[in-house]
Amino acid sequence: QITLKESGPTLVKPTQTLTLTCTFSGFSLSSFGVGVGWIRQPPGKALEWLALIYWNDDKRYSPSLKSRLTITRDTSKNQVVLTMTNMDPVDTATYYCANTGDLDYDSTGYYSYFDYWGQGTLVTVSS
Amino acid sequence: EIVLTQSPGTLSLSPGERASLSCRARQSVTRDYLAWYQQKPGQAPRLLIYGASNRATGIPDRFSGRGSGTDFTLTISRLEPEDFAVYYCQQYGSSPWTFGQGTRVDIK
Repeated sequence: QITLKESGPTLVKPTQTLTLTCTFSGFSLSSFGVGVGWIRQPPGKALEWLALIYWNDDKRYSPSLKSRLTITRDTSKNQVVLTMTNMDPVDTATYYCANTGDLDYDSTGYYSYFDYWGQGTLVTVSS
Repeated sequence: EIVLTQSPGTLSLSPGERASLSCRARQSVTRDYLAWYQQKPGQAPRLLIYGASNRATGIPDRFSGRGSGTDFTLTISRLEPEDFAVYYCQQYGSSPWTFGQGTRVDIK
């Protein structure tokens, strides 16, 4: 059974750095083709992909947020950590982590949808 | 980045009716790498369809996806009460991965 769960602060102040942890079970981030991504959703708005890390430590970031994001993994703890610097009230959102489904790949990259999702954690940015 | 536009914004239907949701991409989606998700209030999205037409594990066969290139459709053949939700399309053929703005299916 695959599960993912997000954890981290519920409230951060503007300009602070947010650190979120995704703890998962039921799969290994060391296994070929596996990835874990982060997606956020402002209240009442659409989903936005943020970052993704693969089994081989390859990483992808949203270009619009790349300068503020860092994604890392700890395979021994079955965790993926996302940090986002210089938080702003517009970053208020529910943050989800999700694992990737069956991976396709070619010389130009990897291709996979998001299969299992965590329950999400609401992060509010306010002074 | 590939912009996805979903229509209509809201679909008001009765249980038992057929729902057709559209997702259009501003440029062709690589190898039809398009997914559909269902999201109910207070819940995480749930994968319904991947690769434009493949149902995810455990998804009822009343859900079907079709399309290619820039035009994709999610069809719910007969709406059940639990199907009233928001539906998102997502392309994963080009980075950055992008989502549509969603279509809300509500009870008429």
